[in-house]
Amino acid sequence: EVQLQESGPGLVKPSQSLSLTCSVTGYSITSNYWGWIRKFPGNKMEWMGYISYSGSTSYNPSLKSRISITRDTSKNQFFLQLNSVTTEDTATYYCARYYYSGDYFDYWGQGVMVTVSS
Amino acid sequence: DIQMTQSPASLSASLGETVTIQCRASEDIYSGLAWYQQKPGKSPQLLIYGASSLQDGVPSRFSGSGSGTQYSLKISSMQTEDEGVYFCQQGLKYPFTFGSGTKLEIK
Repeated sequence: EVQLQESGPGLVKPSQSLSLTCSVTGYSITSNYWGWIRKFPGNKMEWMGYISYSGSTSYNPSLKSRISITRDTSKNQFFLQLNSVTTEDTATYYCARYYYSGDYFDYWGQGVMVTVSS
Repeated sequence: DIQMTQSPASLSASLGETVTIQCRASEDIYSGLAWYQQKPGKSPQLLIYGASSLQDGVPSRFSGSGSGTQYSLKISSMQTEDEGVYFCQQGLKYPFTFGSGTKLEIK
C-alpha cells in the first residue's frame, strides 16, 4: 500500500525558509509524480508543485522563485523548500502522489500544520 | 489560471437524502476533473476522477457527471459518514486549481 508521511517544523519565523520532508513507503518515487499541496485556514487549497519520476519539476507560478522541490531516491523521500516565508504561508502542507495519466492526486499524506510567526 | 467555482459553500442533508454539489470551471477542462472528500483532521480522499470514474473502494452512492465547464458530484443516499468537506480539482492545465470546498453536514 502506498503511504506518504510529511515531517518538518511546525513553526517558522517570517523571512526564513520552510523545509518539509515527505517519506514514501510502498511505492518508488522513481515512478509517477510527487507533489505538494497546501490548505489555508478557511479551506482554500493550492497546488504548489511536483517532482517527476525523472527528477524534473513543475511549480505554481504564484510561488515564483521561492519554491524548490527535490528528492533523495535512496531514501525514497522528496522535499519542499519555500523561501522568504510570510504569515500568508501559514497552512497545512500535504504531500501526495500525482497520477499523471489521470490528472489527479490519489494518495495523500496526513498533512503537517506550519505556522509562520515571530 | 483556470478558476473553479464550487457551490454551495455549505449544505445540510438528512439521512437517505440525495445531495448534489456543483463545480464550474472558467474554461473547458475536457473532463479533467477530480472530486475529493476531506473529514476533520484527515487528508483528502479521492472519490471521482475523469469527471465520472469512481475510485476503487469508494461507495457506489457517489457519482460524478458533467462536461465542458460544468460538473457535479452526487451522493445518492446521504450517510452519517459522508459528513465532511468536498473539493473539486482540475488537472487539465497548470497550475492545477481547486474549488473552494463544500461543507456537508447531517441535518
